[in-house]
Amino acid sequence: KAGVTQTPRYLIKTRGQQVTLSCSPISGHRSVSWYQQTPGQGLQFLFEYFSETQRNKGNFPGRFSGRQFSNSRSEMNVSTLELGDSALYLCASSGGRSGTDTQYFGPGTRLTVL
Amino acid sequence: QQQVKQSPQSLIVQKGGISIINCAYENTAFDYFPWYQQFPGKGPALLIAIRPDVSEKKEGRFTISFNKSAKQFSLHIMDSQPGDSATYFCAASKDGGSQGNLIFGKGTKLSVKP
Repeated sequence: KAGVTQTPRYLIKTRGQQVTLSCSPISGHRSVSWYQQTPGQGLQFLFEYFSETQRNKGNFPGRFSGRQFSNSRSEMNVSTLELGDSALYLCASSGGRSGTDTQYFGPGTRLTVL
Repeated sequence: QQQVKQSPQSLIVQKGGISIINCAYENTAFDYFPWYQQFPGKGPALLIAIRPDVSEKKEGRFTISFNKSAKQFSLHIMDSQPGDSATYFCAASKDGGSQGNLIFGKGTKLSVKP
């Protein structure tokens, strides 16, 4: 089985722009979670989607949003980028009937905001 | 508010030695405690996980010890090898039908010297 894939792997944007990141989960997985990883704050949960519905949400501002499509692929959008949004954005997928099995992480998208 | 505290931040161990990483949590509602291993340029990968109904779980050279009353859990890596050099994260979540909302510790960078 192919693993979790994330595109693009690297992005450079400037302050004020918006960005969309994409995640394709492992085939058959219906839960997709997004995390932000920075040296200072570590790994922080952004949100989780299951069957196209947001099931959990972390403590991030409304500039961070996401969605999930009927094929379980997910996108994450960040609007009005700030310098502090520079981070590695990780996507993880889970299988099982309720999407509660082990989370498998993708390689991440490295976002740099200039 | 840091719900999962991990120590030490970095650890240097000789080949063949035992690596020990500790975590403490605050929320007694947590009922799933995984450890993840992350190599540079890669996403975290699940190493081993435990639920609070057992005090210890062993998989190969990796053992989780869990102390529910102290709200602490630790990872022991026996016979540490240079290939184990990576960053290790403990995490916790409430399994209310979803494991998407993992709360991570800040990570421990392990270096195993040959």
